[in-house]
Amino acid sequence: EVQLVESGGGLVQPGRSLRLSCAASGFTFDDYAMHWVRQAPGKGLEWVSGISWNSGSIGYADSVKGRFTISRDNAKNSLYLQMNSLRPEDTALHYCAKGGGQQLVHGFDIWGQGTMVTVSS
Amino acid sequence: SYVLTQPPSVSVAPGKTARITCGGNNIGSKSVHWYQQKPGQAPVLVIYYDSDRPSGIPERFSGSNSGNTATLTISRVEAGDEADYYCQVWDSSSDHPGVFGTGTKVTVL
Repeated sequence: EVQLVESGGGLVQPGRSLRLSCAASGFTFDDYAMHWVRQAPGKGLEWVSGISWNSGSIGYADSVKGRFTISRDNAKNSLYLQMNSLRPEDTALHYCAKGGGQQLVHGFDIWGQGTMVTVSS
Repeated sequence: SYVLTQPPSVSVAPGKTARITCGGNNIGSKSVHWYQQKPGQAPVLVIYYDSDRPSGIPERFSGSNSGNTATLTISRVEAGDEADYYCQVWDSSSDHPGVFGTGTKVTVL
């Protein structure tokens, strides 16, 4: 069964850091691009960051550029998101999503259930 | 960054056809993907590359894209189709390449 399981979310104070992880199973992880997408409570979807199959192409949303870093470990079938200088507006359910191919342009065909990040003092 | 605009809501009677639009500047030159999200659940890809359906998605779901508007069409609407729908594109020329539409709530009357 193809599966993505996120972890690492929680309550954190503004300005602090958090590292999200996504464990993949059921498919050849290093054949596909991966993404992070978030959804603030009651709001729409927002693409956060994406990384190609070999980490050769990486992109970030303007709202997180310079603060978040995406990475992957193909040997561990895992995707990560290092989140620094967190702000209250980063409060959201963060989803890990599988791309439809090696590069970033494809749609997101598999999604995890998400991990909640709450930034508050 | 690139902007995608969707109507906030669409209402449709069971058995009828729902059309959800996604407007963007020259969107016809880009590939559009569509997602369905039911309350409390993760999104599901229902259309990719404008008009292709993933396995397991009913043929009632179809897509088109031309000019400044992409459209998701749901034929013979069922109660189970009630959900939020989002369009999405990848704008390779932008520093912020991943873009979602504003989302449309489909209500089955």
